[in-house]
Parts: sequence; structure tokens; C-alpha cells
Amino acid sequence: NAGVTQTPKFRILKIGQSMTLQCTQDMNHNYMYWYRQDPGMGLKLIYYSVGAGITDKGEVPNGYNVSRSTTEDFPLRLELAAPSQTSVYFCASSPARGDQPQHFGDGTRLSIL
Amino acid sequence: GENVEQHPSTLSVQEGDSAVIKCTYSDSASNYFPWYKQELGKRPQLIIDIRSNVGEKKDQRIAVTLNKTAKHFSLHITETQPEDSAVYFCAASIEGAQKLVFGQGTRLTINP
Repeated sequence: NAGVTQTPKFRILKIGQSMTLQCTQDMNHNYMYWYRQDPGMGLKLIYYSVGAGITDKGEVPNGYNVSRSTTEDFPLRLELAAPSQTSVYFCASSPARGDQPQHFGDGTRLSIL
Repeated sequence: GENVEQHPSTLSVQEGDSAVIKCTYSDSASNYFPWYKQELGKRPQLIIDIRSNVGEKKDQRIAVTLNKTAKHFSLHITETQPEDSAVYFCAASIEGAQKLVFGQGTRLTINP
């Protein structure tokens, strides 16, 4: 099992560009999450999904979009990149409920210049 | 909604000494309390968790205690080693909830 796989590992974007951060898991987990972590700070929830076709906003959803067409994949879309979106992005998954351990990917380090 | 407060934000201890990090939560219906360790440049990893039906859980040098009456839980690391240096996050969740609520993190530094 690879667990939670995120691509790319690093990316530099120009202001106004768009990109998709990929996340896939091979553990057949229903719940998936996207967090951002600014330097020296904690984890802020952007979006989450409790199953294919179901997504919901976290505490900082503005500027991002998500989709969940399969159990395995949960991509995060940035439409118009802004410097404030410079951060490390972590994808995580958990088996069946929120009150279960979350497994994190290795993260995507994104810089907007 | 649930709110989790974590203290201290930074902690520095001598190698071999013990370290304690404390979290308080607001919702008495919370029943799941995990702790994550994040080394520099790495992903958060679960190191120990506890549910509300037990008061303490140990795994080698680490332990977690839960006080449901006071609504707080703590991480204890004994005989600290340099590799314990990291940021530690606590979290809480209500049974059946869809997500965890994380604390703000504690940067632990072990001085040789």
C-alpha cells in the first residue's frame, strides 16, 4: 500500500495562474481532507469529502475548489493563484468517520510569485 | 462547534527529561483524541490516540491521559531524546463527526 500520494511535491506558480493538486489513496477510505499549513503554523481545513460525489467546505475554502468523482481521488483546484495561497498543502484520509485516525500524504509545497 | 486549545506553543527540555503538552476541548461530546508528530519538512504522523472510555494509554515512552470532567488531555514523553524534537498537534472529534479539530501545535526542542 502506498497510502496517500500527493503530486507534485513542489510547484512555483505566477500570480493568476491555475493548477490542480492531485491526491490519491489506495486504502479504500471514504473520508478525505485537504489542509494548508503556513510556515510555523497549524493545519487549516480547506475542504473535505465523506464519499464520492460529496464535498463540503472547511474553515478556509475561498480561492479553492474540489471534486470527488471516485473513492480514490480528491483533487484540489486553485483557479487564480494569489500570493496568500503560498503554503504547504496536505491531503489526508480516514476510513469511515471523522473520529478515526487520519493518514497524511507527504504534502505539496506551493509558492505563488 | 468544537474548539481545541493547546499549550504551550513552544517547549524546550533537556535530553532525558520529561515533556508534557496539554490540550483543552470545549465540547463534552468529544470522544476521540489523537496526537500527531510532525518533523521538520515532513507530514504529520499519528503517534498515539485515546478514546473517552479510557483514562490513560501508554506506548513505550509516550502516554496520553484524559480528564473528561475537566475536558483536557495531555501528552507525556519520558526520557526525551533528540529525535523527539518536532511539532506536536493534538486533536479532538465528536463521535460520528466528519472531521477532526486540531490544536495550534507545540514546537518541542530537546537540548543535548
